[in-house]
Amino acid sequence: AIQLTQSPSSLSASVGDRVTITCRASQGISSALAWYQQKPGKDPKLLIYDASSLESGVPLRFSGSGSGTDFTLTISSLQPEDFATYYCQQFNSYPLTFGPGTKVDIK
Amino acid sequence: QVQLQESGPGLVKPSETLSLTCTVSGGSINNYYWSWIRQPAGKGLEWIGRIYTSGSTNDNPSLKSRVTMSVDTSKNQFSLKLSSVTAADTAVYYCARGNTGRYYDYWGQGTLVTVSS
Repeated sequence: AIQLTQSPSSLSASVGDRVTITCRASQGISSALAWYQQKPGKDPKLLIYDASSLESGVPLRFSGSGSGTDFTLTISSLQPEDFATYYCQQFNSYPLTFGPGTKVDIK
Repeated sequence: QVQLQESGPGLVKPSETLSLTCTVSGGSINNYYWSWIRQPAGKGLEWIGRIYTSGSTNDNPSLKSRVTMSVDTSKNQFSLKLSSVTAADTAVYYCARGNTGRYYDYWGQGTLVTVSS
């Protein structure tokens, strides 16, 4: 199975900060990567698919980039509603796998 | 707007079979992949498997062939059975729609299943 690692595992940031989260795959996955946001007690919400395509309705401050083994999720200006845990997911091969998550909280 | 709702027992005894159903509303179940994903408390997401409306399935080898999935298109439902459960199977179980079978654009709210005697 393809392993995904995320860094950092957690970060503290302020409203208005630019935030970057990294996801690394144990082998190349082309652009077969998605990003999700999850708030406590809620189901995950799709943000990005195909590494850089923004899901409909997701604010433009979210962006994704990368291919192969290294990917990033960037929030250009952190808003109060963005404090959450973010997960990457690869869909290059089965079993589908998720990263361990990055928790973004308030500084 | 597509909505998914999980249903099933919240408590299962060790060695027994966990059974969950996901009901899809606001759209057709046909021509999509439908998945089960779980999350132990305070931990990350684990993909359990997926089923297409034709009935073809893929599941996670880490679950050692304990997974059975089925779909009932007449009821707009799909189901999960996980056999021989242990405490390690305690988690929130989500059903989700796979967009082209690859990533998940609609999720249920999740249902907590506890394995305990």
